[in-house]
Amino acid sequence: EPEVTQTPSHQVTQMGQEVILRCVPISNHLYFYWYRQILGQKVEFLVSFYNNEISEKSEIFDDQFSVERPDGSNFTLKIRSTKLEDSAMYFCASSELEHLNDFGPGTRLLVL
Amino acid sequence: KQEVTQIPAALSVPEGENLVLNCSFTDSAIYNLQWFRQDPGKGLTSLLLIQSSQREQTSGRLNASLDKSSGRSTLYIAASQPGDSATYLCAVPNYGGSQGNLIFGKGTKLSVKP
Repeated sequence: EPEVTQTPSHQVTQMGQEVILRCVPISNHLYFYWYRQILGQKVEFLVSFYNNEISEKSEIFDDQFSVERPDGSNFTLKIRSTKLEDSAMYFCASSELEHLNDFGPGTRLLVL
Repeated sequence: KQEVTQIPAALSVPEGENLVLNCSFTDSAIYNLQWFRQDPGKGLTSLLLIQSSQREQTSGRLNASLDKSSGRSTLYIAASQPGDSATYLCAVPNYGGSQGNLIFGKGTKLSVKP
């Protein structure tokens, strides 16, 4: 069964550095999402992406964040200058229709 | 602003027991409600989706109910097994946003003892 994949599984970075988290959504899916979960907290919506543009973003998704679909398969989340509070598990998700079903395994980001 | 709450935060039961997990939401204007399972270090797996017009959905040993007017949903797990041990999350779409913009509860961590 097709799955959403994410790389890397873990990333450690220094505060102020740029990070790019990568995702390969399920191939026939049209809607793409990023969520994050700070340790011990709720899963939170960051951004949705459809038809090659951001369709919706939360107030967490400020100018430090960007998303891109550079080719037909990858979907990336870039954090331009990481802060300590960006440490979290980041989940990519995709769906064929608007109902969101398929999440990736996550990338655990630690900012030191 | 929609808030989703799950009670209890953790639950430990012996194998074979039937159990109920609770989810409540503050704004009854929802498109649907989903229950997810989260295993440690892994992503979220969608278990059941109930449309706002439905009262319940069933999948195997799982049954989810929805009472929009009271802002509640329950997930019933029959004949629990150790493999059911995980964190169970409920989520509703942010009304007025896309259906993929989900608001999650904090989850109930279930432990089923053999």
